[in-house]
Amino acid sequence: EVQLVQSGAEVKKAGESLKISCKGSGYKFSDYWIGWVRQMPGKGLEWMGTIYPGDSDTRYSPSFQGQVIISVDKSINTAYLQWSNLQAPDTAKYYCARRAMVVEAHYFDLWGQGTLLTVSS
Amino acid sequence: SYELTQPPSVSVSPGQTARITCSADVLANQYAYWYQQRPGQAPVLVIYEDRQRASGIPERFSGSSSGTTVTLTISGVQPEDEGDYYCQSADRSGPWVFGGGTKLTVL
Repeated sequence: EVQLVQSGAEVKKAGESLKISCKGSGYKFSDYWIGWVRQMPGKGLEWMGTIYPGDSDTRYSPSFQGQVIISVDKSINTAYLQWSNLQAPDTAKYYCARRAMVVEAHYFDLWGQGTLLTVSS
Repeated sequence: SYELTQPPSVSVSPGQTARITCSADVLANQYAYWYQQRPGQAPVLVIYEDRQRASGIPERFSGSSSGTTVTLTISGVQPEDEGDYYCQSADRSGPWVFGGGTKLTVL
């Protein structure tokens, strides 16, 4: 089965660091860009950035550049999203998603189940 | 940067037709994509490249484009279609942008 499976919910305190994961299976992981999307409580979707597992080429949204780090370990088909100094406004659900492999494709054709992050101050 | 504008909410009765719009000047030159997010679930791709139905999506879902506005149409709405719908677009090098989302209520 083609799927993205994300790590479980996290409860952290402000100032702590965190790395969440997204593991792909059922397809050639290194051939597809993986993106991260934030959804704050009761709000819409926000594109954070994408990474290409084949060469770790990474693109960030200007809104998230410098705030998070997106990385990948293609040997274990896993992408990561990490913070070094969590704050309460980082409380949200974070989705990883696979970018479609079509020339000039700018959309996600497969989504993970989401990771809920709660940061207390 | 730009914004994709969607109506906050649309309400229809079962069996009726729901139309959700998404507007921005860039849509005259860029494709739009639509995602469905049912309550408590992850988003699912519904329409890509303005009008192409994604794999496994029922035929009652269709997309269209006219100038700077794209429209997601759901013909013969079913109770399970209730949820939030997001349009999304991107150019070759810029950030991907999502619309604010439209809550579809099936009365």
